[in-house]
Order: sequence, then C-alpha cells, then structure tokens
Amino acid sequence: GAVVSQHPSRVICKSGTSVKIECRSLDFQATTMFWYRQFPKQSLMLMATSNEGSKATYEQGVEKDKFLINHASLTLSTLTVTSAHPEDSSFYICSAQRGRESEQYFGPGTRLTVT
Amino acid sequence: GESVGLHLPTLSVQEGDNSIINCAYSNSASDYFIWYKQESGKGPQFIIDIRSNMDKRQGQRVTVLLNKTVKHLSLQIAATQPGDSAVYFCAEKTSNTGKLIFGQGTTLQVKP
Repeated sequence: GAVVSQHPSRVICKSGTSVKIECRSLDFQATTMFWYRQFPKQSLMLMATSNEGSKATYEQGVEKDKFLINHASLTLSTLTVTSAHPEDSSFYICSAQRGRESEQYFGPGTRLTVT
Repeated sequence: GESVGLHLPTLSVQEGDNSIINCAYSNSASDYFIWYKQESGKGPQFIIDIRSNMDKRQGQRVTVLLNKTVKHLSLQIAATQPGDSAVYFCAEKTSNTGKLIFGQGTTLQVKP
C-alpha cells in the first residue's frame, strides 16, 4: 500500500510553454501533498505544501505564479510550470501524506527538460 | 536557518563490509528523522526512521543512531551489497511545521 504515482515521468517542452505534472496517491487519501525540486547532484528542496481544498503554501523564493499547484481532490495534486525556461529544467518529485503525523510517501519523479 | 548536512559526499566500500553514513542537523527542535535511499532517476525510498525520544533503532541490515547532544545522525548498513549503491539522504522533521528538511546526500559506492 501507500503508492504514489507521477505523470509524466519525462517531459520535454519548449521555452515559454507550460507543462503540467500530476501526482496521485493510488491507494490512500492524502490530506497533504508536497512538491520538491532536485537539481543534478543536489538534494531535494521543498517547493510547496498543498492541502486538499485550500491554497498551497510556497517556500521562500518559490514563485507561486510560476509554479501553480492545485490539490483538487484527496488523491490528486498538479504542478504546472508556466512559461518554462531552461533553468526550470529539473527533477520534480511529489510526496503524499495521510495525516500530519504520518510518513510521506514519495512519487517516482518527473524529469522536466526545457529546450 | 535550518539545515541538515552530511559529512562525506562520497563513500566507497567493499562488498560485504559495513557502511556508516553520517549526518549533522542544526535544528534542536527536530523530533523525527528519516533516512532515504535514492537510486538514479527515481524518487526517494524510505529506509528507516527514528524519533527524538530514541537513540537507536534497528531494521533489516540497517541501524540508525541518534545523538541529540551533538545533533548527529548516522546510518549503518551491515554487509553492504552492490544493490545498496545509491545516494543516501537524511531528513529531519519538526512537529510544528510538518515539513521535511533534506540533507545534502552521500553517494555510496559498493565495490565488488
């Protein structure tokens, strides 16, 4: 149990376009989902925390108008990278949590390449 | 600010030897710690966790030690195998924020 999926696993887009990444909890309801970004040979950096039915909370330095997060249901959160630029190329990872005290279950990640 | 760091960026061990990966954390309010394994191109995989009211926890071939006095965490892997080759991250969490803060990662290379 506690499987989290992401779609797509890889995406290439042109500079200036937008791309949407989905994060789904397959066998449990996630009250909270988290979005992380990971550059090559670096650690995971938390971008935002998303609670179902409410606005996401963004970490300092993360532009909320550029990284749109929607958590419309207890099993789905989406991250939309708007007007993508090459510097947005990264590995985006989501995690899902049943409740505040429970473990975070991580998705397999999405590799975004902006050309 | 908060930070969780690792002492060694790369650790190379012989197959069958024991591995020790270290981590320092700076937030004394952190009350939950987790070790993750990340293989190339994949998401982090939970290995073992420990709460701040404990100083040692054992799993299958892995042991986590927590020293709150010096704010130090370690992961011990017994009889390291080639499949253990990956990047290992420690992460800390505080109850009041619920957010995970990741350390910088240690690459474990297992030589056959």
